[in-house]
Amino acid sequence: TQLLEQSPQFLSIQEGENLTVYCNSSSVFSSLQWYRQEPGEGPVLLVTVVTGGEVKKLKRLTFQFGDARKDSSLHITAAQPGDTGLYLCAGPGNSGYSTLTFGKGTMLLVSP
Amino acid sequence: GAVVSQHPSWVICKSGTSVKIECRSLDFQATTMFWYRQFPKQSLMLMATSNEGSKATYEQGVEKDKFLINHASLTLSTLTVTSAHPEDSSFYICSARDETGDYQPQHFGDGTRLSIL
Repeated sequence: TQLLEQSPQFLSIQEGENLTVYCNSSSVFSSLQWYRQEPGEGPVLLVTVVTGGEVKKLKRLTFQFGDARKDSSLHITAAQPGDTGLYLCAGPGNSGYSTLTFGKGTMLLVSP
Repeated sequence: GAVVSQHPSWVICKSGTSVKIECRSLDFQATTMFWYRQFPKQSLMLMATSNEGSKATYEQGVEKDKFLINHASLTLSTLTVTSAHPEDSSFYICSARDETGDYQPQHFGDGTRLSIL
């Protein structure tokens, strides 16, 4: 079973601070996806990374895929209250080529 | 684009009732949809893969007679929780795979909060 470990589990910061959350595995993934989920809603896809060492930027969010494709990180610059949510990483699951396995997520709270 | 609509958004019903949840891809066709369950402060757990025109594939430990899945068209999958009991209370989320998108991403509905009294 391919497991994705996310850290930290919970992060509470002030508006304007920077932060990094991590997604790690002992297995190699062909790709990883990052989602953000707000309470009472479904996850929204932020980015997909597929190449080892790849870096993608989405405004204040920077995503990196490890060289060995076993880990990924999400860095947020100058966090805003609107960034509050559950950040989930996901990779291809074992149940079929199109299934996803999710990490447990990092709950981020950004206070004004 | 790539909108997935899930209905109802929440439902409260008595124990023993069967509840149907719909998942629709509004602006794309999806031969494959997925049903997840999410408990408070936990991640999404895949219950089953719904395949258009064929039987669903259930994950280990998920009772197929308890959670009936029908995927009769390229834009609609339904999950019926039969004879629901309080332990079935959870947040159920569907997703649809966009086969035309880069890396064929899954797009998620907004979930259904199911509470069984």
